[in-house]
Amino acid sequence: NAGVTQTPKFQVLKTGQSMTLQCAQDMNHNSMYWYRQDPGMGLRLIYYSASEGTTDKGEVPNGYNVSRLNKREFSLRLESAAPSQTSVYFCAVNHNQPQHFGDGTRLSIL
Amino acid sequence: DAKTTQPNSMESNEEEPVHLPCNHSTISGTDYIHWYRQLPSQGPEYVIHGLTSNVNNRMASLAIAEDRKSSTLILHRATLRDAAVYYCIRLSGAGSYQLTFGKGTKLSVIP
Repeated sequence: NAGVTQTPKFQVLKTGQSMTLQCAQDMNHNSMYWYRQDPGMGLRLIYYSASEGTTDKGEVPNGYNVSRLNKREFSLRLESAAPSQTSVYFCAVNHNQPQHFGDGTRLSIL
Repeated sequence: DAKTTQPNSMESNEEEPVHLPCNHSTISGTDYIHWYRQLPSQGPEYVIHGLTSNVNNRMASLAIAEDRKSSTLILHRATLRDAAVYYCIRLSGAGSYQLTFGKGTKLSVIP
C-alpha cells in the first residue's frame, strides 16, 4: 500500500526488550490507528489519533505507548516486550473516509 | 463484541457469483454497514459500505435488507484474487470511525 508505510516489516525480539514500530502516510489524512491481529482473529484497536497532537486508547492499549509525531507519522512503542505481544501490527489512516491500511509489521517475541 | 455475525468460511467456483451474508440484528438507525477484505499477508482493504439502500461499486454490490438486520456482499464474478477474509462491520454514523473487526468469512475460490 503506497499510501501507508510501516517499518520494519519483520522483527524478532527477546522478552523485556523495547521496540518502536513506525508508521508514515503520504495521504494527508488526519486520523491514524494502530491495530494488532493475532492468528485466526480479526484486528483489534490498540490506540488511535484523531488528529495531530491527540491520542486515545482503543480496545487493547495495555503494554503499549504511542506518539503522534506530526501529521504524517504515528509510532507504537513496546517498552518491555512480552510473548503475548507476538502479533501482526497494522497501521491505518483516514479522514472521514474508509481506512487505508499498511501491509503490517510481523513481530515475534521469544 | 463485533456486533455482526458471519459464516466462518465459504467456497465459490471461479467466475461464478458469490453472496457473502452478514447478520446485524441489533443495528441502530444511524449505523452504516462496511465491508473490508484482507488478502493473505496484507492489510485489510475497503470494499463497500451502505446505510439503507443497495450500493454498487467497481468491486462489489451491497444488498441491505429492508429491516436492515442483515446484508449481503455480492461479488459478481469471483476470481482467484478474490480469495480473502471478508469482514462485515457496523459503524456508528455519529462521527467515530473506530472499526471493530470480528473473525470474518474466509472465502476460497476454486479454479
